[in-house]
Amino acid sequence: ETGVTQTPRHLVMGMTNKKSLKCEQHLGHNAMYWYKQSAKKPLELMFVYNFKEQTENNSVPSRFSPECPNSSHLFLHLHTLQPEDSALYLCASSHQAGGPNEQFFGPGTRLTVL
Amino acid sequence: AQSVTQLGSHVSVSEGALVLLRCNYSSSVPPYLFWYVQYPNQGLQLLLKYTSAATLVKGINGFEAEFKKSETSFHLTKPSAHMSDAAEYFCAVSDSGTSYGKLTFGQGTILTVHP
Repeated sequence: ETGVTQTPRHLVMGMTNKKSLKCEQHLGHNAMYWYKQSAKKPLELMFVYNFKEQTENNSVPSRFSPECPNSSHLFLHLHTLQPEDSALYLCASSHQAGGPNEQFFGPGTRLTVL
Repeated sequence: AQSVTQLGSHVSVSEGALVLLRCNYSSSVPPYLFWYVQYPNQGLQLLLKYTSAATLVKGINGFEAEFKKSETSFHLTKPSAHMSDAAEYFCAVSDSGTSYGKLTFGQGTILTVHP
């Protein structure tokens, strides 16, 4: 595997379910990110981890819970979601957070909340 | 606070014609600027970036962008459009301060290329 991978690619869940999204980067980077991409809205940064420490929580509801056990893996735990949470969730990584460091994106997880 | 405005949510060109996608930014400190492309059902791929070196930046697939501080612009161009350029394009800004990882994106421009 190369680059940034995300699993699953598609997920359908009910409002009472608990599920997790997984992201793995094979680039030796130290920063990882979660973004939400909804139709007709700009990409929204959700969380940033730099050297496994969370450095940004962009006012994300607590029904989204990130976990970064090491610099290569990032999870997004989901529980009691709402239909408006349906979106494409993108993971990205970079050498370090911020500045001129370009971010490399995974293919995303298409989430549908029923 | 930083922000990005992409003028035109949809741009349509003929194959072989000039591509011009507009991006204006706002940043309180010198910015780093990026253009990304997203093909259907895929993540974002970096086209090019400006990091305060040359103001004319060349990227992949024949795209280039020019940083104009006086106009706060970073427009993306390609001399001759190809059918494979059809995608959604995002301009993004990251300031040179300490906003860890805060890459602010524009709303995107969908490029359609007609035969």
